Amino acid sequence: QQQVKQSPQSLIVQKGGIPIINCAYENTAFDYFPWYQQFPGKGPALLIAIRPDVSEKKEGRFTISFNKSAKQFSLHIMDSQPGDSATYFCAASYTGTALIFGKGTTLSVSS
Amino acid sequence: DAGITQSPRHKVTETGTPVTLRCHQTENHRYMYWYRQDPGHGLRLIHYSYGVKDTDKGEVSDGYSVSRSKTEDFLLTLESATSSQTSVYFCATGDPAGEQYFGPGTRLTVT
Repeated sequence: QQQVKQSPQSLIVQKGGIPIINCAYENTAFDYFPWYQQFPGKGPALLIAIRPDVSEKKEGRFTISFNKSAKQFSLHIMDSQPGDSATYFCAASYTGTALIFGKGTTLSVSS
Repeated sequence: DAGITQSPRHKVTETGTPVTLRCHQTENHRYMYWYRQDPGHGLRLIHYSYGVKDTDKGEVSDGYSVSRSKTEDFLLTLESATSSQTSVYFCATGDPAGEQYFGPGTRLTVT
């Protein structure tokens, strides 16, 4: 019940495409859902996060869609660029607890 | 992650030796975390701290201990290193609402 399942494991898109990464959770107590971006040799960096009182949040080219009834959330990257090539992690937590991470998606954007 | 440093950044050690990794923050965050990152497993929580001298175990705590004697420092000790502890270790800091910020990581190799 504490797991966060992330898919796909890897993704290849053309420049300008819209990659979509999906995550599913079981624990309905989760109330915080962030996405992290990690480049090789670097630590994960917080990209965007959402709480269950909204269904969508947009920051620049990155959008989180949240479906509370389905217990799913997804990351969309608009107009993807080669510089977006990285590993992306979804995560979930509830107040006062540590984040539980998905296993990551490696995104490659070809030019 | 400018306010979080980890030392050493790289270390090679032999099986059976004790190893201590250090995390230092200048953010004055109450919460601090240690994760390990391994291919196919994503980020897994080892231990975390919710205040000075207050720590708790995470998902993969066996073989590890932690200490936090002041707000800015969180130490991770491998009591007797094993080859299965070869990994990249990340420290993170955060607030009770859930946002976490990661350090640059320590690559540990146990031979």
